[in-house]
Amino acid sequence: SQKIEQNSEALNIQEGKTATLTCNYTNYSPAYLQWYRQDPGRGPVFLLLIRENEKEKRKERLKVTFDTTLKQSLFHITASQPADSATYLCALGDGNQFYFGTGTSLTVIP
Amino acid sequence: NAGVTQTPKFQVLKTGQSMTLQCAQDMNHEYMSWYRQDPGMGLRLIHYSVGAGITDQGEVPNGYNVSRSTTEDFPLRLLSAAPSQTSVYFCASSRDWGMQYFGPGTRLTVL
Repeated sequence: SQKIEQNSEALNIQEGKTATLTCNYTNYSPAYLQWYRQDPGRGPVFLLLIRENEKEKRKERLKVTFDTTLKQSLFHITASQPADSATYLCALGDGNQFYFGTGTSLTVIP
Repeated sequence: NAGVTQTPKFQVLKTGQSMTLQCAQDMNHEYMSWYRQDPGMGLRLIHYSVGAGITDQGEVPNGYNVSRSTTEDFPLRLLSAAPSQTSVYFCASSRDWGMQYFGPGTRLTVL
């Protein structure tokens, strides 16, 4: 099975700055990788999916990169806002199985 | 669309009791999954289904049973609850193995 590591420390940034979250995996490269947002007491909400043959994906203020050589995905939120404060999870798809990281807690300070 | 619904929202059980966590979706998704989320462990896949009548084990299936008699419903049964099953349980559905829609979760405590 995959072992997935995300920033273990909570991330605090000033409003307007770019937040960068890291997802590292240890075994074989998955066919695709996903990022989710989770607010306290709620279920995760899908944000972006990137496939192994894609280097970068963008959606509004969000950008995801996927480096199969480094076995790493980076998740960027540009022009961050207090409403972006949440926990962000990465997930790797492997056939019919999904493996999730423990998540990184992001706080955007006004 | 209601999306993915789960009942109950909260449940307290005594060790050895059994119960069923309900999950339903109204998006006609073939794929449905059950996860548990524990502090410091992330979401872990318990069981999943790729269509009515088809289920398979995930990463942590012991102590849980599932069935999928309809496309809409995917109940999770705890056969004999143990304190180690204290967790938050999420059901998810998807059209394929891409974007997953998660339910609001069931917070279960086993005493």
